[in-house]
Amino acid sequence: DAKTTQPNSMESNEEEPVHLPCNHSTISGTDYIHWYRQLPSQGPEYVIHGLTSNVNNRMASLAIAEDRKSSTLILHRATLRDAAVYYCILAGGTSYGKLTFGQGTILTVHP
Amino acid sequence: DTEVTQTPKHLVMGMTNKKSLKCEQHMGHRAMYWYKQKAKKPPELMFVYSYEKLSINESVPSRFSPECPNSSLLNLHLHALQPEDSALYLCASSRGLAGVIPPQETQYFGPGTRLLVL
Repeated sequence: DAKTTQPNSMESNEEEPVHLPCNHSTISGTDYIHWYRQLPSQGPEYVIHGLTSNVNNRMASLAIAEDRKSSTLILHRATLRDAAVYYCILAGGTSYGKLTFGQGTILTVHP
Repeated sequence: DTEVTQTPKHLVMGMTNKKSLKCEQHMGHRAMYWYKQKAKKPPELMFVYSYEKLSINESVPSRFSPECPNSSLLNLHLHALQPEDSALYLCASSRGLAGVIPPQETQYFGPGTRLLVL
């Protein structure tokens, strides 16, 4: 499985944008980039996914580099409820549903 | 309804006990998953079921026995566990309607069962 690298932790202030980076230099052409987050004492929650083009949904935006070797999850206005561990995960054509979670980024949001 | 429910929320068991974890979804999903998450670690996949058949077993010890009796229900039977098996056990589901789970498919997770083995 292709591997992802994320910073261990990041901090933000409430109502400010947050850019969470992810490096995946060994990504293959069929790998989708998924982002999940896990709030304290909860199961992981889907945030967004993409293949090549940037993606937006009501929770976040995903910016994918042109060479696809990195991506950035953008939370446009962080709230205290966005404090969580954010996981960047690659899933390819032979994953058959398997999500391999890395260590993730612990996001702290300050009031 | 995008909810995956898991029971019980907490479970304490001895090493000689037999217990079961239950997971349920009513989204019409045909793929279901068990993950294990140790404290301060990421979730690790244990099993994948597709159309009630086991499709992936990540070399999990036989003291963990999964069962998918119907498309809405997934069980994990536990027997002769060790203290190091104490963890949060997460269930997830995804559409899986094609039989082969596509890589862009979203998984929906339950809140987990926190297991303590004494």
